[in-house]
Amino acid sequence: ELKVEQNPLFLSMQEGKNYTIYCNYSTTSDRLYWYRQDPGKSLESLFVLLSNGAVKQEGRLMASLDTKARLSTLHITAAVHDLSATYFCAVPPFFYNNAGNMLTFGGGTRLMVKP
Amino acid sequence: GAGVSQSPSNKVTEKGKDVELRCDPISGHTALYWYRQSLGQGLEFLIYFQGNSAPDKSGLPSDRFSAERTGGSVSTLTIQRTQQEDSAVYLCASSLRGTTKSNQPQHFGDGTRLSIL
Repeated sequence: ELKVEQNPLFLSMQEGKNYTIYCNYSTTSDRLYWYRQDPGKSLESLFVLLSNGAVKQEGRLMASLDTKARLSTLHITAAVHDLSATYFCAVPPFFYNNAGNMLTFGGGTRLMVKP
Repeated sequence: GAGVSQSPSNKVTEKGKDVELRCDPISGHTALYWYRQSLGQGLEFLIYFQGNSAPDKSGLPSDRFSAERTGGSVSTLTIQRTQQEDSAVYLCASSLRGTTKSNQPQHFGDGTRLSIL
């Protein structure tokens, strides 16, 4: 059974600081997704990581994937208040047949960026 | 509106009643997923539809839950004889392709917040 763990679950940081959110998963997968959720809102796709060593950057966020270590990181550079949200990583199954792309989500990291 | 549309946005009902939740995916998206989000369990997969194929129901928590997708587009999630533990936000997502090697992200609707009294 695929399990996905994120840490930390809660992160309070000052504006301008850097930090990394970690996402570990328990079984083989070759792709990983990061989503952002604002309070009372739905999930917004941030990154799709499709292979080992994949790195993607958007503004102050950078995500990477190490499929051998079963680890993804979401790095925040010089945080600003607008980044305050909950961040989820999600992993699909790694089947060889035509199975679905249903996602197993981590528990989420609630990020608060304080001025 | 080009996004995934869900209705109602909020639903309050008494324990034991049946409820129907609706999802209208993005036009052209063949894959449709239902998830639920609750404080205790986080985000959980419920059911998956791909085109006209038989759905993958492996995430449904009990036989009180069912879903259908008509004409490969709109989907309805039905919960019969609701229980208090069914209280959650039910999220629908769609993507262009649903098979395992797809590189497409899933696009989520705003969800239906279901409260069972």
